[in-house]
Amino acid sequence: GQNIDQPTEMTATEGAIVQINCTYQTSGFNGLFWYQQHAGEAPTFLSYNVLDGLEEKGRFSSFLSRSKGYSYLLLKELQMKDSASYLCAVRDNDYKLSFGAGTTVTVRA
Amino acid sequence: NAGVTQTPKFRILKIGQSMTLQCTQDMNHNYMYWYRQDPGMGLKLIYYSVGAGITDKGEVPNGYNVSRSTTEDFPLRLELAAPSQTSVYFCASSLRGEGEQYFGPGTRLTVT
Repeated sequence: GQNIDQPTEMTATEGAIVQINCTYQTSGFNGLFWYQQHAGEAPTFLSYNVLDGLEEKGRFSSFLSRSKGYSYLLLKELQMKDSASYLCAVRDNDYKLSFGAGTTVTVRA
Repeated sequence: NAGVTQTPKFRILKIGQSMTLQCTQDMNHNYMYWYRQDPGMGLKLIYYSVGAGITDKGEVPNGYNVSRSTTEDFPLRLELAAPSQTSVYFCASSLRGEGEQYFGPGTRLTVT
């Protein structure tokens, strides 16, 4: 099975940077995903890492270290619309996703 | 292109009733998934399908059944509703197993 840990809540100021950490212990690893979920809505895909290193996509970046079982999502130049839950998900060798409980990010003016 | 659609959006069931949650995708995706999301618990995989006629259990399949007679549709059946099945249910699809998953808008189910 998979054990995926991420902080429950984080608060930051508009324009700032926030880093959401995710650690995992898995019986099989075939990639790590980050999804964004606004309250009452469906998750939407943000980023994907399968090799070690940093993937950058505009204001969002994601990092992976497979040897450490660690990933982070970096949100830069925070905007009010970034207030949401961020879900870390690990894909196993059967292409099934296991999700962490999510990190609720609150952006304050 | 509507993506993944789910019906109904909301439903209240009495204990012991049955219902089917509908999920349809128009992206010709092979893989489809059903998740439930409870507060503070993350998404849990109920069932998934890698193509028409093929289904398999996920992490929490008890109390549910699925079928996949077409590529587009992947209905989830609750036979004897229990309060523990109160949750938000999301259907998702992906073109291939290694691709990103696209989620439907969800069905909020309450069993009382």
